[in-house]
Amino acid sequence: KAGVTQTPRYLIKTRGQQVTLSCSPISGHRSVSWYQQTPGQGLQFLFEYFSETQRNKGNFPGRFSGRQFSNSRSEMNVSTLELGDSALYLCASSKSSGRYNEQFFGPGTRLTVL
Amino acid sequence: GIQVEQSPPDLILQEGANSTLRCNFSDSVNNLQWFHQNPWGQLINLFYIPSGTKQNGRLSATTVATERYSLLYISSSQTTDSGVYFCAVEGGTSYGKLTFGQGTILTVHP
Repeated sequence: KAGVTQTPRYLIKTRGQQVTLSCSPISGHRSVSWYQQTPGQGLQFLFEYFSETQRNKGNFPGRFSGRQFSNSRSEMNVSTLELGDSALYLCASSKSSGRYNEQFFGPGTRLTVL
Repeated sequence: GIQVEQSPPDLILQEGANSTLRCNFSDSVNNLQWFHQNPWGQLINLFYIPSGTKQNGRLSATTVATERYSLLYISSSQTTDSGVYFCAVEGGTSYGKLTFGQGTILTVHP
């Protein structure tokens, strides 16, 4: 079974630009969660989607948004990039079946904002 | 929200030594996972263990949910065990939200 895939793997942008990251979950998984990892703040939750609906959201500004498609693939968008948005962005998928919610992570997208 | 504390923050071992990593959490949880982050940044699943004990080769984990802690044991450590180990929990109705500890950086010397 293929794992979680993320594209692109590396990205360099300049301040003020916007970026879209993509995540394809494990086949059969309906929940996708996004996380940001920085040296200073560690791993922080951005948002979670299930059946195309955002069920949960972390404490990030409105510049961070996401969506999920009917095939469970998800995208996240960051508008008006700031230097502090440089980070490793990880997505995870789970079956989200009842209380069994083991999350499996993709390899991440490393974003550098210049 | 739920708080997660890991200890120790850093651990240096000689190859062959055993170690115990601890994770304390502040509230009841539906989900607890241990991860190893490889040098390229990917989080590798070690255990899904909201309660009880599990073993996988040289690694084992125990979660005592009533006392709000989990332990990860690494026996006969190898240099390839080096890296960052994270504990993460999902509490209450926090759908899809894992709250991570700050991690334990493990270095195993040959």
